[in-house]
Amino acid sequence: GENVEQHPSTLSVQEGDSAVIKCTYSDSASNYFPWYKQELGKRPQLIIDIRSNVGEKKDQRIAVTLNKTAKHFSLHITETQPEDSAVYFCAAMDSSYKLIFGSGTRLLVRP
Amino acid sequence: GAGVSQSPSNKVTEKGKDVELRCDPISGHTALYWYRQSLGQGLEFLIYFQGNSAPDKSGLPSDRFSAERTGGSVSTLTIQRTQQEDSAVYLCASSLSRGAGNTIYFGEGSWLTVV
Repeated sequence: GENVEQHPSTLSVQEGDSAVIKCTYSDSASNYFPWYKQELGKRPQLIIDIRSNVGEKKDQRIAVTLNKTAKHFSLHITETQPEDSAVYFCAAMDSSYKLIFGSGTRLLVRP
Repeated sequence: GAGVSQSPSNKVTEKGKDVELRCDPISGHTALYWYRQSLGQGLEFLIYFQGNSAPDKSGLPSDRFSAERTGGSVSTLTIQRTQQEDSAVYLCASSLSRGAGNTIYFGEGSWLTVV
C-alpha cells in the first residue's frame, strides 16, 4: 500500500522567511496530493492540493510542487506570518482511493 | 448540515466497554472516511465508504473495530472491549465523491479516553 514520508517533523522560521516541507510517496499510481493545516485542537483543513497531471500550483503565499518521476512533492510558504504556525500534513491518494497522510510538520513562525 | 458533524465530541469510557462514534457527512457526499489521531501524532487511515460499501477495511487496527454506513449517509464506528491504547481522536471526513480533486472535509472529531 501507499506510504508517505514527511520532513522535517519540526520547523522554526523567522516571520517573513520562507518555509518548505517535503514529502515522498511510494505508489506511482497515486494521483492526488492535498495539504492540510491543523491548528491545536482543531480539525485539519485543506490549504492547497495538486493533481498528478500538474507540476506546480500556487495560491497567494502558498505553492505546491510535484515531481512524479521522483515521487516527491513539496509545500512552500513565503512571507510567513505568526498565524501560519500550525501542524501541516501532506497526503497522497492511492489507486484504491485511500488518502494516506504523512506524519506531520510542526511549523513555528517566530515574530 | 453545513459541515461534517461528529458525536459525541468527548467520550470517557471504562476499559472493556463498547463505544459507538457517529458521523454525519456533508449532505450529498458519497465518500466517507474514518481516521484516528493519537495525541500529537499523524492521521491513521481506518476505513472509507463509497456509498454504503467499504471497499477497503485494511486500516482497522483489530477485529474489535467495525464500521457501517446506512442510507449512504450516517456512519457509525464501533469499538468493542475498549483498551487504553484506543484513546485518541477519531476523525470523520467526507467528499462529494471518491477520486482525485474531490476535497475531503473533516469533522471536529470525537475525543475518546479509555480509563
